[in-house]
Amino acid sequence: QVQLRESGPGLLKPSQTLSLTCTVAGGSISSGSYYWSWIRQPAGKGLEWVGRFYTSGSINYNPSLKSRVSISADTSKNQFSLTLNSLTAADTALYYCARVANFAFDIWGQGAMVTVSS
Amino acid sequence: QSALTQPPSASGSPGQSVTISCTGTSIDVGGYNYVSWYQQYPGKAPKLVIFEVTKRPSGVPDRFSGSKSGNTASLTVSGLQAEDEADYYCSSYAGNNNFYVFGTGTKVTVL
Repeated sequence: QVQLRESGPGLLKPSQTLSLTCTVAGGSISSGSYYWSWIRQPAGKGLEWVGRFYTSGSINYNPSLKSRVSISADTSKNQFSLTLNSLTAADTALYYCARVANFAFDIWGQGAMVTVSS
Repeated sequence: QSALTQPPSASGSPGQSVTISCTGTSIDVGGYNYVSWYQQYPGKAPKLVIFEVTKRPSGVPDRFSGSKSGNTASLTVSGLQAEDEADYYCSSYAGNNNFYVFGTGTKVTVL
């Protein structure tokens, strides 16, 4: 079955840029059947949608992050990535990648913890 | 793009039912039948339990049901079991602006 796994640096300093990668196994991100998304969750708090992409090139972002975030894909590696710049402590969170089917997040990765601290 | 409003907590005894509300606006919950619900245990990734307001993914017990009226969606867990104790989040697609919004989360306690 389809599995997602996030990877990336765990500790960054304020003003730096975060780069996370989601590797998809058991299914192709370029099949055209699904959107793929990033979601984050600060410790002890709720979920926040970050953005989504579709292999046609359609990409949408959370308006509150739009000026700092970008999502891209490497179909040859079956991966998609999140870049978030100008980091602050408020960006400290567990970052999940997820598959989107029927406008719902049906398969999730285990999450990657990102801490922003000087 | 405010978070959808959920009660912070809900509880019930084993065998009883608990209903969680999720209130949004006409641009999200009220505007589209794309409300989904997620169950999250501590330290684990969320799990989809309801999509498109009322549909259950394969493997989710029929004790979980969803509904919607106006700008408020609801998740009902019937026949509560100890394993249902978890955090629950709703989510809605807001098509006009092409984004998703999550609820504030509800902690369900089985007494």
